[in-house]
This record gives sequence, C-alpha cells and structure tokens, in this order.
Amino acid sequence: SQQGEEDPQALSIQEGENATMNCSYKTSINNLQWYRQNSGRGLVHLILIRSNEREKHSGRLRVTLDTSKKSSSLLITASRAADTASYFCATDGGYSTLTFGKGTMLLVSP
Amino acid sequence: EAQVTQNPRYLITVTGKKLTVTCSQNMNHEYMSWYRQDPGLGLRQIYYSMNVEVTDKGDVPEGYKVSRKEKRNFPLILESPSPNQTSLYFCASSSWETNTGELFFGEGSRLTVL
Repeated sequence: SQQGEEDPQALSIQEGENATMNCSYKTSINNLQWYRQNSGRGLVHLILIRSNEREKHSGRLRVTLDTSKKSSSLLITASRAADTASYFCATDGGYSTLTFGKGTMLLVSP
Repeated sequence: EAQVTQNPRYLITVTGKKLTVTCSQNMNHEYMSWYRQDPGLGLRQIYYSMNVEVTDKGDVPEGYKVSRKEKRNFPLILESPSPNQTSLYFCASSSWETNTGELFFGEGSRLTVL
C-alpha cells in the first residue's frame, strides 16, 4: 500500500536556488527516509529522520518532520545541476516493509 | 565495495518463458526485498525476506516467486511472465544491526515481456 505522497510531482529551478519537496503520509511511523534516484538507476539513501525528531541536517540537505500533520519536507540548498534526479520519501511503520511515494522529479538548470 | 548486484540488467523475453532475476549482496544483510517501479505508480514491494528461509509477500506478489536459501542471495522468479510484468525491478537489502532501516539498492533490472 502506498503511504507517502510527494509534492510537487515535478520541480524546475535554476542552479543556486533552493529546492523544497514535501511528503505526506497517512498512518503513524517509526521513521521517514528520503532517497534519490538518478534516471533509471538504483535509489540512494539520503537521510533518515525518526518520529521523535523534528529536524535533521546533512550537508546541503535539511529534513523536517511534523508528526501531527503527518508530513515531512526535504530542502536542498544552493542546488546544483548534479542534483537533478527524482526524490522519494519512504515511511517505515514497521521494520518489515518500507513504503515509497511516487516521487518528485527535480530539474536543476545551469 | 559494498553492493547489491542484480542480473540481468536488461532482458527482453516472451510471454510464458520462465525467467529468474538474480540478486546478491555482499554486506551480510539479513533483510532483502524486491520492488518494481512503474511510471505513475512509484515503487511497489513484491516480496521481502527477513532472513534465510523466511519470505513474505509485499503489495504486489502475484505472478512472482522468491527463495532465500542463502543469506546473500534473493532471486526473483517469474514462472510464466506476462506483458503486465514489464517493469523496472529493484532488489534492496538492509541490516538489522544499524537499526536504521536504510535500504541499499541494486542498479535495477529492466524487463520487457512481449
């Protein structure tokens, strides 16, 4: 069952701008993860935020989690052309499965 | 190098011809899983395995089989492929020890069933 839902479906920005993607989910979670996928390639883990955390940083990435609204956001600061990819949120309501959203396609133009 | 290896990467086959997509990981991970990715539908889980000899259905298991005889291998078997199984398939693995649930993905296997 699909739980995470990313918004927007597609985002186009210029290099140097910030990119913000949102993820909404329906049921309670243990943690929420963000993954990146370059076109047709395997997904790569970016960052994990646990249900008792509100914000987390990793390099140019900032993730927030609002469990009361069942939503998360991924901010990429100072975007580069190499950030062009699809970004997925994934929720872990139990350890046996990780449920992915449909993704946000980010295009960063030079 | 830590990795999840899938084979074949690309395959064109015909309806009804049994095929196996292999998946192997070298990280001694307990958990392994298969996903399929289709346009507009995102990633959907087919089967997963918590450890050797333990497998369970995901969201879309129909038409697929798996086995976990060894910790490192988790093959996906299509006994009688049909065109609706044309998709991009990903194998992924994870370790209980890290307690993060972070999945490591293979590079994908693009399957076309004619």
